[in-house]
Amino acid sequence: KQEVTQIPAALSVPEGENLVLNCSFTDSAIYNLQWFRQDPGKGLTSLLLIQSSQREQTSGRLNASLDKSSGRSTLYIAASQPGDSATYLCAVYGGATNKLIFGTGTLLAVQP
Amino acid sequence: NAGVTQTPKFQVLKTGQSMTLQCAQDMNHNSMYWYRQDPGMGLRLIYYSASEGTTDKGEVPNGYNVSRLNKREFSLRLESAAPSQTSVYFCASSVGPFVDTEAFFGQGTRLTVV
Repeated sequence: KQEVTQIPAALSVPEGENLVLNCSFTDSAIYNLQWFRQDPGKGLTSLLLIQSSQREQTSGRLNASLDKSSGRSTLYIAASQPGDSATYLCAVYGGATNKLIFGTGTLLAVQP
Repeated sequence: NAGVTQTPKFQVLKTGQSMTLQCAQDMNHNSMYWYRQDPGMGLRLIYYSASEGTTDKGEVPNGYNVSRLNKREFSLRLESAAPSQTSVYFCASSVGPFVDTEAFFGQGTRLTVV
């Protein structure tokens, strides 16, 4: 059974700091890993998709890495801003079944 | 381009009532999913449909039924609602099955069972 864990569960940083969010998964036979952002009371916004053959993806101040063999991914946010405050979720697709499985999320607060 | 559309957006039910949550996608995707989200628990998979004509249980299927009506539509039914089913429900779709593509989500249905 695929299990996805995100650490830390919550994080508070001052504006301007660089930060790293972690995601680990137990079954390395995945097709891809996706990072999402969720604002309070809202739906999910896709941030980055890393395919199983890739090691990283970048979008603006965001960089996501993937190490399939160790079952880990990180989301790096550079020069954080108060507008980055949200819950960040990772999800893995594939493994032994055709399922998209989510982690429990990291609640990020960036203080002005 | 509508993407994934869920209806209704909000619903209040009394314990024991039934209702169906509707989901439709216009991206010609094969795979569709239903999740529930509770505070501090991320998204948990209720049911999924890898392709038209197939459905499978996810992590928390008890108390729910699903119907893959056609390629576009995937509905979630609560036959006898319970307060424990108060949650936010999300529908998603992807090209799938076993294809490496992005998943897209609807805006969610907030369900309260009193």
